[in-house]
Amino acid sequence: GAGVSQTPSNKVTEKGKYVELRCDPISGHTALYWYRQSLGQGPEFLIYFQGTGAADDSGLPNDRFFAVRPEGSVSTLKIQRTERGDSAVYLCASSFYRVRDYGYTFGSGTRLTVV
Amino acid sequence: AQKITQTQPGMFVQEKEAVTLDCTYDTSDPSYGLFWYKQPSSGEMIFLIYQGSYDQQNATEGRYSLNFQKARKSANLVISASQLGDSAMYFCAMIIHSGNTPLVFGKGTRLSVIA
Repeated sequence: GAGVSQTPSNKVTEKGKYVELRCDPISGHTALYWYRQSLGQGPEFLIYFQGTGAADDSGLPNDRFFAVRPEGSVSTLKIQRTERGDSAVYLCASSFYRVRDYGYTFGSGTRLTVV
Repeated sequence: AQKITQTQPGMFVQEKEAVTLDCTYDTSDPSYGLFWYKQPSSGEMIFLIYQGSYDQQNATEGRYSLNFQKARKSANLVISASQLGDSAMYFCAMIIHSGNTPLVFGKGTRLSVIA
């Protein structure tokens, strides 16, 4: 597609439930990143894929968070046993290897609200 | 680990005037890149400008320029001839090229352009 697509754009879930957030990167971008942005803060890094493998998952806050990218394109961020503190905008971005020309291209985000 | 500091939570500027948004960074790695992103109220992250640590000249992109002072570890964004549409959150971010690390963001500055 022309840009990074994230679905759903909004998700409201009850505390304790499981959610999946999807990211469809720009075709041909090998790198894919997940960030979390809380209200009034900058994006915080969660996990980064190069191809199918997670190159760096050091930002995942705990083992309730998991992400996959099985075919090196679409990625899914999975959150188990959601907590109210998980409420945030989850941003996905993708990039070519040479980031200096275009930076990362971000999607519009998924706003997750845990009630 | 790298760190980005943006000390101005909010800034006001008169339409058609220039404004400088401050950013300082901290890293011991010699090869790095600095980015500025704009985030309007709609939420998308828009790439504005990039400065590499080895670039000899300050980066410019249209009305945006980056005042890069390597010895002071600062990378301030200058917006000339401000427009009402420039009202948004602005984020400074850094990447370490040698370690292939993901972008690290500052907390952002909210710019409001006044007619």
